Amino acid sequence: GDSVTQMEGPVTLSEEAFLTINCTYTATGYPSLFWYVQYPGEGLQLLLKATKADDKGSNKGFEATYRKETTSFHLEKGSVQVSDSAVYFCALSDSSSASKIIFGSGTRLSIRP
Amino acid sequence: KAGVTQTPRYLIKTRGQQVTLSCSPISGHRSVSWYQQTPGQGLQFLFEYFSETQRNKGNFPGRFSGRQFSNSRSEMNVSTLELGDSALYLCASSLLGGDSNQPQHFGDGTRLSIL
Repeated sequence: GDSVTQMEGPVTLSEEAFLTINCTYTATGYPSLFWYVQYPGEGLQLLLKATKADDKGSNKGFEATYRKETTSFHLEKGSVQVSDSAVYFCALSDSSSASKIIFGSGTRLSIRP
Repeated sequence: KAGVTQTPRYLIKTRGQQVTLSCSPISGHRSVSWYQQTPGQGLQFLFEYFSETQRNKGNFPGRFSGRQFSNSRSEMNVSTLELGDSALYLCASSLLGGDSNQPQHFGDGTRLSIL
């Protein structure tokens, strides 16, 4: 079945550092790809999405490009802030049902002031 | 516009009991999905309801069930609770579901602890 693999955490960076969180996927069809963020004690928030190959999703300084040839959707940000500390989940919509989202294991990000 | 509301936020039960969790979707949203989040298994899809009908189902035992009412509010029930059912249960709603262009909006979850 479809699956998502993302880099293990935790990731600790200093403020203003460059961020990359790797994500690769396996899917039989052409899924949409997502990054969700979870702040402590809260539910998930959609950070960005891309629905087809070569699409770039972006929001709040974060970007990710749907790479079909490498089956990847890496999350990047040029300059992180303390407020970006959270758990980040890469996800895809299941090939059989767009309502069913398959999540990666999550990457905890901590930013030092 | 109010977000997805889940009640209660926290719940403590003992093994063998049953529990009902509630989810009120964003007004106008007709699709409601449920997920279980645990440290070991991560986020796993439980089921989705649309127009009072279960439309999709994940790989969970029959002890996990749900329903949706005519106002789109949904409940999830877990019977004969086991220690491994301790988790954060998240509900998500979307306008119609079935379309990845319509984002799912998540509630803050119900944290269920089994003693």
